[in-house]
Amino acid sequence: DVKVTQSSRYLVKRTGEKVFLECVQDMDHENMFWYRQDPGLGLRLIYFSYDVKMKEKGDIPEGYSVSREKKERFSLILESASTNQTSMYLCASTQGSDTYNEQFFGPGTRLTVL
Amino acid sequence: AQKVTQAQTEISVVEKEDVTLDCVYETRDTTYYLFWYKQPPSGELVFLIRRNSFDEQNEISGRYSWNFQKSTSSFNFTITASQVVDSAVYFCALKENTGFQKLVFGTGTRLLVSP
Repeated sequence: DVKVTQSSRYLVKRTGEKVFLECVQDMDHENMFWYRQDPGLGLRLIYFSYDVKMKEKGDIPEGYSVSREKKERFSLILESASTNQTSMYLCASTQGSDTYNEQFFGPGTRLTVL
Repeated sequence: AQKVTQAQTEISVVEKEDVTLDCVYETRDTTYYLFWYKQPPSGELVFLIRRNSFDEQNEISGRYSWNFQKSTSSFNFTITASQVVDSAVYFCALKENTGFQKLVFGTGTRLLVSP
C-alpha cells in the first residue's frame, strides 16, 4: 500500500517562528510537491522537486523554502511564519516523468500561525 | 495559460439522488490530462480517475461516471444513487504535456449527502 506521510496533522506556531513541515513517501518516487489549500482557492503549488537536491518554484513560493536531501523526504520550511501562512499544507509524490501519472497525497498538515 | 473552473461551490443532495459535478478547463496544449480527486473529511486527496485529451470515451465505474467533451472543454463527474459516504470535496485538475508535472486544480466542489 503506497504511503505519503506528513509529520503533523495539526500545528500551532507563533508569528516569526521557523517552521518545518516534513513529508516522507515510501514509493521511491522521483517527484515530490508541496501545496497549500485555502477555502475558495483550491490547491496551489508552492514548490516541487524532481530529484534529490533539485527544486523548482511553483506558483506561490514567497515566504517558503524547501529541502530534499534524501529521495524519500521533502521538507517545507517557513523561515519566519506569518499569520497569512495559516493554511492546510498537502504533500504529494509521483513517479517518473510521464505526464499521465497521478499524484499521491499525504493527509495534510493544518498549520495555524498566531 | 491553463485553468480549471468548478463553478459549483457546494451541492447538497439527499441519499439516492443522482448528482453531477461540473468541471470546465482551459488549455492551449493539444495533449493534456484531466484528473478527479476526492477529499473526504480525513483530508487526504484520493485519486479517482485520469483521462487524456485523445480519449473522449465516457467511463463508468460502479456508481461513478465521467463525461469528457473536448468541444465544450468539460470533464463532468456524475454520482448515481449517492450515499452519505460520498460526502467530500471533489477536485478536478489539469496537467499539460509541457511544464513539468504541474497539476492545476479547480477550487473544488463540496458535496453533502444527507440521509
